[in-house]
Amino acid sequence: SQKIEQNSEALNIQEGKTATLTCNYTNYSPAYLQWYRQDPGRGPVFLLLIRENEKEKRKERLKVTFDTTLKQSLFHITASQPADSATYLCALDNTGGFKTIFGAGTRLFVKA
Amino acid sequence: DSGVTQTPKHLITATGQRVTLRCSPRSGDLSVYWYQQSLDQGLQFLIQYYNGEERAKGNILERFSAQQFPDLHSELNLSSLELGDSALYFCASSFKALSNTGELFFGEGSRLTVL
Repeated sequence: SQKIEQNSEALNIQEGKTATLTCNYTNYSPAYLQWYRQDPGRGPVFLLLIRENEKEKRKERLKVTFDTTLKQSLFHITASQPADSATYLCALDNTGGFKTIFGAGTRLFVKA
Repeated sequence: DSGVTQTPKHLITATGQRVTLRCSPRSGDLSVYWYQQSLDQGLQFLIQYYNGEERAKGNILERFSAQQFPDLHSELNLSSLELGDSALYFCASSFKALSNTGELFFGEGSRLTVL
């Protein structure tokens, strides 16, 4: 069956360190993968999109990698700040369809 | 502000009742998506519309239905409500048209509580 797996355990890191979140998927062949941020009780906010032919993408302190062989994406936040504390969701398209399917998300806590 | 408007923000109703959630997409976006997020659960894809037509269906219950109108706003109808339907319902819109190749812009959600 199709699965998108993100670490269900919360990630606790110290301010200034790099946070690395993982997204693994099975039985998908996505053309692209997205990362979103969600604060409690709020709607998800788009952060980055990476296509299947891209290995890495950066935006300010954010970096995403996409390995279609491993079926994995890594999401990095460098120089993390307490304001980065949120749930981070990965999402991918169901190739051939029109759905964007989300992982359950990983909660990140950045301690000052 | 994402530009996606959802109403109502909060709704409390009783089991067996019917409610309608409304979504106005961003100006120019033709695609509308509905998601359900229960407490401590991930976003569950319900249904997608493009320019008035249903394009994809997820795990949407038969008690639920949706439509997209000519002005592109969308409504999600939930009937014969059960306690387990209590959740945040999100609408999202996308600029990309025929295929799902773009970022989604989410509204702030409608929080439904069924008592």
